[in-house]
Amino acid sequence: SQQGEEDPQALSIQEGENATMNCSYKTSINNLQWYRQNSGRGLVHLILIRSNEREKHSGRLRVTLDTSKKSSSLLITASRAADTASYFCATDALGADGLTFGKGTHLIIQP
Amino acid sequence: EAGVTQSPTHLIKTRGQQVTLRCSPISGHTSVYWYQQALGLGLQFLLWYDEGEERNRGNFPPRFSGRQFPNYSSELNVNALELEDSALYLCASSFAREGQETQYFGPGTRLLVL
Repeated sequence: SQQGEEDPQALSIQEGENATMNCSYKTSINNLQWYRQNSGRGLVHLILIRSNEREKHSGRLRVTLDTSKKSSSLLITASRAADTASYFCATDALGADGLTFGKGTHLIIQP
Repeated sequence: EAGVTQSPTHLIKTRGQQVTLRCSPISGHTSVYWYQQALGLGLQFLLWYDEGEERNRGNFPPRFSGRQFPNYSSELNVNALELEDSALYLCASSFAREGQETQYFGPGTRLLVL
């Protein structure tokens, strides 16, 4: 069963705008990770945030984690056409093996 | 440094046949994970191998199996293929000591079952 649920399912914005995607999950976690997938190809790891962290930055990416609400957000600032992809959150849940992925948010950046 | 590689990139099989997919992890990684990404179902965890042993499997029938070789490469075997096995199969590798923290994914094998 899916652990993470991304919201929205799809998002289309103009180049230069910021894109925000949310992820909710159900069980306690060790960490939460965000991945990007271009056109049904392999996944690219973007950022990992541990359960004791609240916010993390990597370049134009900002991830927040609220363990009390079991939710995370991924913010991409100053979006570019090359950011067009599907974005997945994945949880490393306590007592589980293997990452559990949500169904993803499909992001389209219009030039 | 080479990333995770998978072969073949694309495959077309017919129902009832058997298929073997291959994965080579990043050098130094001992853990290999297999995932299925079927249309509408998202990414589903299939199998985890570490140090040559199966450590865990997801909610898939026994006709999905695999193995890990001494060089840490891995094979995924699917017997008695069904139409719903059509999917992108992704392999990922990591250091065992990091657990599932950061998995590095290959480009995937796209399987179509007719």
